[in-house]
Parts: sequence; C-alpha cells; structure tokens
Amino acid sequence: DVKVTQSSRYLVKRTGEKVFLECVQDMDHENMFWYRQDPGLGLRLIYFSYDVKMKEKGDIPEGYSVSREKKERFSLILESASTNQTSMYLCASCTYGSQGGADTQYFGPGTRLTVL
Amino acid sequence: DQQVKQNSPSLSVQEGRISILNCDYTNSMFDYFLWYKKYPAEGPTFLISISSIKDKNEDGRFTVFLNKSAKHLSLHIVPSQPGDSAVYFCAASALSNDYKLSFGAGTTVTVRA
Repeated sequence: DVKVTQSSRYLVKRTGEKVFLECVQDMDHENMFWYRQDPGLGLRLIYFSYDVKMKEKGDIPEGYSVSREKKERFSLILESASTNQTSMYLCASCTYGSQGGADTQYFGPGTRLTVL
Repeated sequence: DQQVKQNSPSLSVQEGRISILNCDYTNSMFDYFLWYKKYPAEGPTFLISISSIKDKNEDGRFTVFLNKSAKHLSLHIVPSQPGDSAVYFCAASALSNDYKLSFGAGTTVTVRA
C-alpha cells in the first residue's frame, strides 16, 4: 500500500513566521505535489516536482517555495506566513502510468495550518 | 479561472437509490479524468478514472460517463450506501500539461438511512 505521510496534522503559526511542511512517500514515486484545499475552490496546485531537485510552479505558487533533496521527501515552505495562507495543505505523489501520463495520485492526510 | 467545475456543492440521497454527480470542464486538451473521494480529516482517495478514448468506465457500484462533445462527465453510484457520504472531487489532466491535475470544488454527498 502506498503511504504518504505529512509531518503535522494541525499547525498554528503567527504572521511573518517561516513555516515548513514536510511530506514523505514510501513508494519510490517520481512525482510529488503540494495542494491547498479551500471551501468552494477545491484543490489548487501550489508546486510540483517530477524528480529530485526539480520543481515546477503550479497554479498558485506566490508566497510559497519548495525543496526536494531526496526522492521520497518534498517540503513546502512559507517564507513569511500570512493570514490568507490559512488552509488545508495536501501532499500527493504518483508514478507514470500505463497511459504514458501520471498515474493516479496518492494523498497524505493533510495539514490544517492556521496563521494568526 | 477554474477549468473543472462541479456546480452542485451538495447532494442528499436515500440509501439504496442512485447518486449522480456532475462535472463540467472547459479545457479541450484534457484527456484523462478522475474522481476522488474525501472523508473529513483524511486525504482524498482515488475512486475511478476514464480516458478520453472511452465514454464509460464501470467499477462495482461506481460508473463514470464521459461526454466529450459536451465537455461533461458524471459519476453514478448505485446503490448508494451510508459509507458513501463524503466529498467527491472531479479532476482532469492533459498529456500536454505535465500531467498536472485540475480539480473541481467538490460535491458533498449525504446518504440518508
């Protein structure tokens, strides 16, 4: 069974703090993703990575950065947290599937981040 | 601008009846479509998918229908069970777009006993 774990389930930070969200997958997947989930907006892609040290911007990268030093680990960094970054953050991973494209994505349980 | 839209935020259905969830998309480059199910305090889990070369895919109680000309897909759950109560997300990807998934806003399904 694929397992994607996230370092924290709940996190409370103050405006201006630097925040690290960690994600680890155990299935040797090439691709990893960070999303945020907000009511009425669904899941929106922040950043993704298709290989170690590679990263690509998603749809809403502003205010975020990422790091992928090892294949199994993908970190999301909020350089200076703001209240509008209060959200549920979801990490996902996948391999390349039979269609030649990304296979289904496996998600972690999410981190509920509150920025005060 | 959301390229995948789920216009019904919620759906309530009697146990044993059919649940029909709808999803519309605007990007004609999308060629792979998925449905995910999400329980509270858990990450989404993959439910069923369909390639653009097909118009129907069935897996047990779940069937997904794709109408490419209308840019519309639907998920049918028959019969609905209490354990199906969850948020359902429609998602789509395009081979030309690094296989990134675009998600809809989700539909909350409540199955009444």
